[in-house]
Amino acid sequence: KNQVEQSPQSLIILEGKNCTLQCNYTVSPFSNLRWYKQDTGRGPVSLTIMTFSENTKSNGRYTATLDADTKQSSLHITASQLSDSASYICVVSATPGGYQKVTFGIGTKLQVIP
Amino acid sequence: DSGVTQTPKHLITATGQRVTLRCSPRSGDLSVYWYQQSLDQGLQFLIQYYNGEERAKGNILERFSAQQFPDLHSELNLSSLELGDSALYFCASSVEAARGGYTFGSGTRLTVV
Repeated sequence: KNQVEQSPQSLIILEGKNCTLQCNYTVSPFSNLRWYKQDTGRGPVSLTIMTFSENTKSNGRYTATLDADTKQSSLHITASQLSDSASYICVVSATPGGYQKVTFGIGTKLQVIP
Repeated sequence: DSGVTQTPKHLITATGQRVTLRCSPRSGDLSVYWYQQSLDQGLQFLIQYYNGEERAKGNILERFSAQQFPDLHSELNLSSLELGDSALYFCASSVEAARGGYTFGSGTRLTVV
C-alpha cells in the first residue's frame, strides 16, 4: 500500500531558529515528491518538487532533500519567521502502469512563536 | 489569487440537506480534483475529472457526486448531509500529467448542524 508518513506531527519553535521536517514514503514506482505549505483555512501551495535524480532543491529559506534509496525526504526551514506557521504537507507521486497516483501525507503543523 | 475559484467560501446547512460546491479551474488546466479536509486531518482525495470525464476516484461516499462541465468548471454535490461531513472542501486543478503539481483553491468550509 502506498503510504506517506510525516514527522513530527506538530512542532513549536522560536522565531529565528531552524527546523527540519521529515517525510518517509513507500510509494512506488516513484515519480516525484513535493512539499506544500498550507496556511490555516487556506489551500496548500507548492514549495518544491524533486524527481528521482535530484537530492536537494531550495526555495528561499526552504530546502528540501530527497534520498530515493531510503525513500526519505526532509524540509529544512532556515531562520524561521512567524509567517512560516502553517502545515507542511509531503506529497509523493507514483506512476503504476503509466497511470498517475498521488499520495498526500497528513502534514506537520509548525508554529513559530516570538 | 491562485487562479482556482471556489464558491461559496462558507456554507452552513442542516443534516439531511443537499448542497453544491462549485469550482472554476485555473485557465488552461483540464484536470480538476476534489479533496476533503476534516478538522486537523490530512487531505482526502475524493475524485478527479479530466476534460469532462471522470479520471480517478478516491474515498468518495455514494452520497457525494461530481461532474465537470464543457466549460471545465466542476461541481461537487453532497446529499443527505451528516454532521461528519462538516469539513473544508478543496478543489485543485492541473495540466495533464501534473504528477502532484496542483493549484488549489481557497476552499469551501461546510458546516452541517
